[in-house]
Amino acid sequence: NAGVTQTPKFQVLKTGQSMTLQCAQDMNHNSMYWYRQDPGMGLRLIYYSASEGTTDKGEVPNGYNVSRLNKREFSLRLESAAPSQTSVYFCASSEAYRGELFFGEGSRLTVL
Amino acid sequence: SQELEQSPQSLIVQEGKNLTINCTSSKTLYGLYWYKQKYGEGLIFLMMLQKGGEEKSHEKITAKLDEKKQQSSLHITASQPSHAGIYLCGADNSNYQLIWGAGTKLIIKP
Repeated sequence: NAGVTQTPKFQVLKTGQSMTLQCAQDMNHNSMYWYRQDPGMGLRLIYYSASEGTTDKGEVPNGYNVSRLNKREFSLRLESAAPSQTSVYFCASSEAYRGELFFGEGSRLTVL
Repeated sequence: SQELEQSPQSLIVQEGKNLTINCTSSKTLYGLYWYKQKYGEGLIFLMMLQKGGEEKSHEKITAKLDEKKQQSSLHITASQPSHAGIYLCGADNSNYQLIWGAGTKLIIKP
């Protein structure tokens, strides 16, 4: 029962480097999301994809790009990493837009 | 913009005792979700409440949404070590996106 799988689980970057966080779900869900979680701030939505072929900005999209590659996969790219992007990133999916979310285990990113 | 405030921020409870976590919204809640997170893991869905006065239970956890739909409480009866973790509430906002509280860290003392 894989559910939502994120890679990598840990990553250390230097300021200015780029990287892509990968997310895949095997539940045939239509909607997928990328969140970041920072201490004392809860979860904040970066981008979401309500259905295959669409992506929209969330609360904190600056410095990020996303690609909904197909129904299963939703990637998050940092083009030029900054220390402010040090965070734990969560990918989630849901059968329909809003409703119960299924989360991956998170990707811990540190930008030096 | 709508905000969710959770209280307390952290809680240490003796095993076997009851506890309550609150989630208060600055605006009317149209859908309120409770999730649990263990350290280093993702979030697990607990319950969703939509109607004022609604109450749902799962094992020893009960969640309520008050009549005015601006506050929800999560009550754990006879706490166990397995209840330890971070509890987060989430709510639908007017932009059809989920907003989240900052979380309540629960520690169970044996």
